[in-house]
Amino acid sequence: QSVLTQPPSASGTPGQRVTISCSGSSSNIGGNYVYWYQQLPRTAPKLLIFRNNQRPSGVPDRFSGSKSGTSASLAISGLRSEDEGDYYCASWDDSLGGRGVFGRGTKLTVL
Amino acid sequence: EVQLVESGGGLVKPGGSLRLSCAASGFTFNSYTMSWVRQAPGKGLEWVSSISSNSYYIYYADSVKGRFTISRDNAKNSLYLQLNSLRAEDTAVYYCARDVLAKIEFDYWGQGTLVTVSS
Repeated sequence: QSVLTQPPSASGTPGQRVTISCSGSSSNIGGNYVYWYQQLPRTAPKLLIFRNNQRPSGVPDRFSGSKSGTSASLAISGLRSEDEGDYYCASWDDSLGGRGVFGRGTKLTVL
Repeated sequence: EVQLVESGGGLVKPGGSLRLSCAASGFTFNSYTMSWVRQAPGKGLEWVSSISSNSYYIYYADSVKGRFTISRDNAKNSLYLQLNSLRAEDTAVYYCARDVLAKIEFDYWGQGTLVTVSS
């Protein structure tokens, strides 16, 4: 069982807005930054959102992140077919001496 | 251009050992925490281990503690992961990643190296 809880799947049609949730606890999301990684088919993961709501250069502003308490969410607006892939939330967890934790991932399907 | 290139993966029997390497270039290697993240076939990402820039701070996932050892050689711009007492469940693609904030902020990833543990 993963420390961070994400829905296993999400879907939307082109142009729609979808959100993916990520739930944690006070030892991870509640006290540390949240990150979102995008993994497109057959590629290495890519940093999509860092420090809760910041976008690396080159990431379209269609992607946005937010955090509230021990939960976070990723929103994708203007959905495009090339957004289809897996999305993972991640955070540092201060328990057990410190460790990185990922959600199990959400598979996004563009219908 | 930042580049991370993993090597050392392969097929190994249960109980065996393997040493993974990650060659870094295009940035000041000794200024960054580095990490290993793995992904079992068809599964999600799992953080494995992190090592601070001067090797002072080292962290491991519970699933590998006592069996895997992370290390680095800043003179060679290289990161390593020694895998011992390997189990079938260690079968995965192992990615090397640069950690900006030393707390799972991975801004660059390698392409990964596949480790298969099977008899």
